[in-house]
Amino acid sequence: GENVEQHPSTLSVQEGDSAVIKCTYSDSASNYFPWYKQELGKRPQLIIDIRSNVGEKKDQRIAVTLNKTAKHFSLHITETQPEDSAVYFCAASKGAGGSYIPTFGRGTSLIVHP
Amino acid sequence: KAGVTQTPRYLIKTRGQQVTLSCSPISGHRSVSWYQQTPGQGLQFLFEYFSETQRNKGNFPGRFSGRQFSNSRSEMNVSTLELGDSALYLCASSLPEVRGLQETQYFGPGTRLLVL
Repeated sequence: GENVEQHPSTLSVQEGDSAVIKCTYSDSASNYFPWYKQELGKRPQLIIDIRSNVGEKKDQRIAVTLNKTAKHFSLHITETQPEDSAVYFCAASKGAGGSYIPTFGRGTSLIVHP
Repeated sequence: KAGVTQTPRYLIKTRGQQVTLSCSPISGHRSVSWYQQTPGQGLQFLFEYFSETQRNKGNFPGRFSGRQFSNSRSEMNVSTLELGDSALYLCASSLPEVRGLQETQYFGPGTRLLVL
């Protein structure tokens, strides 16, 4: 089955710095790659996603890049703020016809120091 | 629009018992997925229901089952509870299929289950 590795497990940055979280996946059939943010005690929330036919996607301070050949994708957060502190999960999923079978990374705890 | 709701929010059970958790998706959403989240194993996919049918299943034993009703509400059941079933159980809903693509999933607040 699919295996998703996520690094680092913990990332500590100063406010205003950039943060990068990387994930690798094993199944070349995976075609949808969402990123979730989960604050302490709260539900995961989708922050950005990318499909296999796109190499990069950006939404304000957040961007995701996908390298299908190397089977890795990354989350980039620029100008980090204390409210960005949370656990971030990547996922790789495959399926057709709207079907969704995700495999998640183990999560990265991002700490942004004021 | 109201978000995804789950009941109960907290539950304490003993080994060997069974439990039923409920999930009400966002109005109009037809796909409901269930996940188990633990510190040790992280976030794992249990199963997905669409139009009252289980469409996909993760790698969990048969003690974990679910169903979906005609109004898209879903329940999951865990029989013969084990200590290792203690976890946060999350459900997520998404819109109907659009061009066969996976749609954004919206998570509920979760049900925290403690098995003693």
